[in-house]
Amino acid sequence: NAGVTQTPKFRVLKTGQSMTLLCAQDMNHEYMYWYRQDPGMGLRLIHYSVGEGTTAKGEVPDGYNVSRLKKQNFLLGLESAAPSQTSVYFCASSYSNRGTTSSSYEQYFGPGTRLTVT
Amino acid sequence: DAKTTQPTSMDCAEGRAANLPCNHSTISGNEYVYWYRQIHSQGPQYIIHGLKNNETNEMASLIITEDRKSSTLILPHATLRDTAVYYCIVRVASAGGFKTIFGAGTRLFVKA
Repeated sequence: NAGVTQTPKFRVLKTGQSMTLLCAQDMNHEYMYWYRQDPGMGLRLIHYSVGEGTTAKGEVPDGYNVSRLKKQNFLLGLESAAPSQTSVYFCASSYSNRGTTSSSYEQYFGPGTRLTVT
Repeated sequence: DAKTTQPTSMDCAEGRAANLPCNHSTISGNEYVYWYRQIHSQGPQYIIHGLKNNETNEMASLIITEDRKSSTLILPHATLRDTAVYYCIVRVASAGGFKTIFGAGTRLFVKA
């Protein structure tokens, strides 16, 4: 299993440009998340999804949109990038309560995408 | 979810046990203590979790005080590869990780 993968790994944008970050997981997890991490700080939740076709706002959703058209994919979009969105973006996934043998419900994280907005 | 307090950084000699403390004085009865670590800007990695009893797995041990207001993560024989930021998180152990709040964590330096 590849686990959680993210593309691209690095990206530089100019202010006002748009882009989409792709997250994919092959563990059949129902829940998926997008976080951002600024230097020296912990992770902050941007958006999450509890299933295909559903999304919800996290702690810092402004300036971002998400879509979950397929269970294995979770897309994070920046419509008009700003320098304040310079950060490392992490995607994660986890089991749901239904039909799982997991008792820990831990999150599995991808390797991250480093985004710089100039 | 309850807030946690961790030291900003700690040092440990290679081969010795690393004991990482965490205070969670406002923890609720149904909240678990989770530990994750993040090695050099990689994605966080789950280590262990527990409710009341002490827990041990292949990576670490978790000691939770009887009043559950604090806990200690123990890496029994720290190696250089254990140098990382360690996050103590308190949350309900339902499937919804959207309640997982990552603070600044403890930066552990394992020295040769």
